[in-house]
Amino acid sequence: EPEVTQTPSHQVTQMGQEVILRCVPISNHLYFYWYRQILGQKVEFLVSFYNNEISEKSEIFDDQFSVERPDGSNFTLKIRSTKLEDSAMYFCATQLDNGGNQPQHFGDGTRLSIL
Amino acid sequence: AQTVTQSQPEMSVQEAETVTLSCTYDTSENNYYLFWYKQPPSRQMILVIRQEAYKQQNATENRFSVNFQKAAKSFSLKISDSQLGDTAMYFCAFIPTGNQFYFGTGTSLTVIP
Repeated sequence: EPEVTQTPSHQVTQMGQEVILRCVPISNHLYFYWYRQILGQKVEFLVSFYNNEISEKSEIFDDQFSVERPDGSNFTLKIRSTKLEDSAMYFCATQLDNGGNQPQHFGDGTRLSIL
Repeated sequence: AQTVTQSQPEMSVQEAETVTLSCTYDTSENNYYLFWYKQPPSRQMILVIRQEAYKQQNATENRFSVNFQKAAKSFSLKISDSQLGDTAMYFCAFIPTGNQFYFGTGTSLTVIP
């Protein structure tokens, strides 16, 4: 079964540094998402992306965050200047089309640790 | 506001027994979709089962079934014949209009051999 692939599985970064988290979507999926899960807390929506544009974003997704799909395959989340509170699991999810009955398929996540 | 509440942070069940995980949600939408996702220690979020709000019939998927009560805004997950591999965090989620999923805080289920 096709899978969503995320790299790296674990990223350790100094506070203030930039990080880029990568996601390879399922090939025919058109909608892409990033979620965050702080340890012990619920999964939180960050942003949705379609047709090379952000379609929705949460209040968490401030100017320090950006997303892009530069080469038509990888879908990336960039955090420009990381803060301690950015430490979390980051999940990429992809969806075949824009329908609530279509489940979002999640990657294994990237554990981001900010020192 | 859209919210999802899972009131059971932790649960345990004996292998081969049945367990029910509760979930309630709040929305003013009439049409939406509900999901249960499983997150084993391997971290991956795996879809367990989904339910369309316009369908009265409860969804079933092998050993997993739901009790969907729209008026009460309740969406519980029943796991029958529990197996050791069912040990995981279970997240209830729903999606109203738009694409954003709303997740509950999760229930940690441990299946005891």
